[in-house]
Amino acid sequence: EPEVTQTPSHQVTQMGQEVILRCVPISNHLYFYWYRQILGQKVEFLVSFYNNEISEKSEIFDDQFSVERPDGSNFTLKIRSTKLEDSAMYFCATETSGRDVSTDTQYFGPGTRLTVL
Amino acid sequence: QKEVEQNSGPLSVPEGAIASLNCTYSDRGSQSFFWYRQYSGKSPELIMSIYSNGDKEDGRFTAQLNKASQYVSLLIRDSQPSDSDTYLCAVYSNSGYALNFGKGTSLLVTP
Repeated sequence: EPEVTQTPSHQVTQMGQEVILRCVPISNHLYFYWYRQILGQKVEFLVSFYNNEISEKSEIFDDQFSVERPDGSNFTLKIRSTKLEDSAMYFCATETSGRDVSTDTQYFGPGTRLTVL
Repeated sequence: QKEVEQNSGPLSVPEGAIASLNCTYSDRGSQSFFWYRQYSGKSPELIMSIYSNGDKEDGRFTAQLNKASQYVSLLIRDSQPSDSDTYLCAVYSNSGYALNFGKGTSLLVTP
């Protein structure tokens, strides 16, 4: 069964450093998402991406964050200058979607644990 | 602010019983609803989705949706200790691009 994959599984970085989190979507999926989950809190939406454009973003997704699909396969989340409060699990999700509410379903990757020191 | 509310639990049920997990949502325009399970530190794993009022059954799991009352529930029949996990309710935003999650209900099935 096809799966969403993410690398690395764990990233430790110093405050102020840039990090890039990578996701390989399921092959026929067209919509891509990033979510984060701070320890002990709920899963929070960051951004959605379709046809090489951001479809929607949350208030969390400020100028420090960016997304791109550089090579047609990987989908990346970049945090330009990490803060302590960026420490969280970051989940990539993908969806095949024809924008049909009766079939839309997001499948999650295993996540990247980001630790900012 | 679109909210999805769940009791945090823990909900404790004996093995073999029916576990009932509930969720309410604030956005009356929501159309798509999902139940995920999540083991601590792991990613959400889809259990089932529901889009129409009424019940939807999949094996031991039944999702129930009542749009008029803005609640969605998940019933787990013949609960097993392996069902012990956190169960997340998620609702699509009106734009259809973002899943709004509840905080999750912790379920403990005791042998």
